[in-house]
Amino acid sequence: NAGVTQTPKFQVLKTGQSMTLQCAQDMNHNSMYWYRQDPGMGLRLIYYSASEGTTDKGEVPNGYNVSRLNKREFSLRLESAAPSQTSVYFCASSDREGAGNQPQHFGDGTRLSIL
Amino acid sequence: AQKVTQAQTEISVVEKEDVTLDCVYETRDTTYYLFWYKQPPSGELVFLIRRNSFDEQNEISGRYSWNFQKSTSSFNFTITASQVVDSAVYFCALSERTGNQFYFGTGTSLTVIP
Repeated sequence: NAGVTQTPKFQVLKTGQSMTLQCAQDMNHNSMYWYRQDPGMGLRLIYYSASEGTTDKGEVPNGYNVSRLNKREFSLRLESAAPSQTSVYFCASSDREGAGNQPQHFGDGTRLSIL
Repeated sequence: AQKVTQAQTEISVVEKEDVTLDCVYETRDTTYYLFWYKQPPSGELVFLIRRNSFDEQNEISGRYSWNFQKSTSSFNFTITASQVVDSAVYFCALSERTGNQFYFGTGTSLTVIP
């Protein structure tokens, strides 16, 4: 019963390096999301994908790119990491039932430090 | 403008006390959904409740209860007889009918002191 799986769980990068955070869900959800969590700021949406083949910017998209590889997978890429991107990153998925969004299911998070 | 406001940043209570976490939201949609999530010290986000805008009945689940009042745009969460295991950050969130996004508050950190 995996739900939403994020890899890696921890990562340390140097400024300017690139990396991709991976996310996969096995619940057949249409929508997937990437958030960052910083102290005192709650969860801020980076990008989301309402369905396979579509992606949209959230509140804080600068410095990130995403790919909805298929219905299961939604990756987040940092092309040139900056210390301001040090954060905990969460992937989530959900579906719509009728007119409304069902609860989001979250992965365990990726703790990313950029030196 | 912030769509979901959790004005209480940190709350500390002594075990067995009752505590209420406030959540105020803002939306122009007539159909919307409200959520509460718990984030314990281990870091994962756990879904607690979903409520739609047409259902204003209060809900009780064990020691947890939720009070939804459309007139004041609030969806408050009460823990009765708090326990140390309730120590966590609690997030309130809003989802509108006309979109796929979820809007989270900044969270309330609850500490229950034994």
